[in-house]
Amino acid sequence: EADIYQTPRYLVIGTGKKITLECSQTMGHDKMYWYQQDPGMELHLIHYSYGVNSTEKGDLSSESTVSRIRTEHFPLTLESARPSHTSQYLCASSELSGNTIYFGEGSWLTVV
Amino acid sequence: GNSVTQMEGPVTLSEEAFLTINCTYTATGYPSLFWYVQYPGEGLQLLLKATKADDKGSNKGFEATYRKETTSFHLEKGSVQVSDSAVYFCALSEWDRDDKIIFGKGTRLHILP
Repeated sequence: EADIYQTPRYLVIGTGKKITLECSQTMGHDKMYWYQQDPGMELHLIHYSYGVNSTEKGDLSSESTVSRIRTEHFPLTLESARPSHTSQYLCASSELSGNTIYFGEGSWLTVV
Repeated sequence: GNSVTQMEGPVTLSEEAFLTINCTYTATGYPSLFWYVQYPGEGLQLLLKATKADDKGSNKGFEATYRKETTSFHLEKGSVQVSDSAVYFCALSEWDRDDKIIFGKGTRLHILP
């Protein structure tokens, strides 16, 4: 059982609001990721981090931003939410040299 | 570049039927291969993995064998249950090259009672 937690699980917000999706892991993993998952299921990597103070953009361009001030914490922020941001966001982590990635349960965001 | 191709769904089977979900890959070196499962409303969970050719990963009655000669990692289960209904993702990683994991597009499985 992986120890990676996301909050909130479900969120409905109005257009223009600022939101932060929280992600924490207790496994001491250096590498963390954010994926966006379409209703059609495909996963898109939007951000990742190798460790504290490291953030990288993923394969899919995103208007969201991330920060990595602590090893265990990797929050994702949208400064001004839009309906096009409606999606599921999955946080994940792995060891720096490991080959298994562990996922949180996801945050479902709906922007109305 | 590396890629993963898995059969498109949805796949609909009756309970106790035999399951195969095909997965093939392209990679420049010697990747590790994975199957992840996503139950409704949840994140992805690692189902099984294999790290070298001819390895067989197995878990919860599911199996997949790393076939280097056919670049495949097909998922099989001899007798599916309704509780196996989920989305299944094939994935590969070459951590010693570019430390990214590549996912297939997912295959939705429906098991009818």
